[in-house]
Amino acid sequence: NAGVTQTPKFQVLKTGQSMTLQCAQDMNHEYMSWYRQDPGMGLRLIHYSVGAGITDQGEVPNGYNVSRSTTEDFPLRLLSAAPSQTSVYFCASSSGTGLKRGYTFGSGTRLTVV
Amino acid sequence: AQKITQTQPGMFVQEKEAVTLDCTYDTSDPSYGLFWYKQPSSGEMIFLIYQGSYDQQNATEGRYSLNFQKARKSANLVISASQLGDSAMYFCAMREGPNTGGFKTIFGAGTRLFVKA
Repeated sequence: NAGVTQTPKFQVLKTGQSMTLQCAQDMNHEYMSWYRQDPGMGLRLIHYSVGAGITDQGEVPNGYNVSRSTTEDFPLRLLSAAPSQTSVYFCASSSGTGLKRGYTFGSGTRLTVV
Repeated sequence: AQKITQTQPGMFVQEKEAVTLDCTYDTSDPSYGLFWYKQPSSGEMIFLIYQGSYDQQNATEGRYSLNFQKARKSANLVISASQLGDSAMYFCAMREGPNTGGFKTIFGAGTRLFVKA
C-alpha cells in the first residue's frame, strides 16, 4: 500500500543506547518531517526536509540527527537515548505541489527509554 | 516567531449539534497555510481541511468548515451535525512560506472532543 512506513512500531531502549527510526514513503514526496507527540504538548517538530540532501532543524532537534540521501527515506537517529526522549514519533510527508492536501503520516513509533 | 495556540484542552458536544474548536496563530509571513488534523484513539493522524492565507473564502470539506479570520489570526474548526465517531483529538497546524519558515509545519497542543449520545 502506498503511504508512509515507519519501523519499528514499538521500541524499548536503555539510557545511553543509540538507534535509528526508519521512515520511507513511496509517493515521491519532496517534503518530509519528524515529530514527537507527548501528552498535553501536541506534535513538536524535530527535523524536516524539503528534498533529498536538504534538512533543517525544527523546534526540538537536540539529541536527534537526520539525513536525506534519497527522496524516499528519512531516518531519525537518536544519538544517546535519554528518558526525556520517551515519546511517540511520527514521520510525515507531503508533495511540494500538493501542500493543500496536508501531510500523510506514518502510523508512529512508540519509544520508551528506561 | 511561528506559533499555534489551542486554548481548549477538552470539549463536549451533544450528538447532532455543531461545535467550534478554537485556534489562533502568529506569524510574520504573509504567505502561510492552516490545517486541521484529527487523531482518533487508534493514534493515526488524519488530514481534515486546509486554508491558505490568500484564500478569500472559508474552506469547507463536508461537515468540516474553517472559520478564517485573518485580522484576528484565528482559524477555528467548525464541525456540523456531530457524530459519535467525531470523538477524537483535533490539532491545528500552520505552515509558513519559504521566506520565513522554509515550509516547516508546526502544531498546536490539541483539543480533545467528546461527543455525547
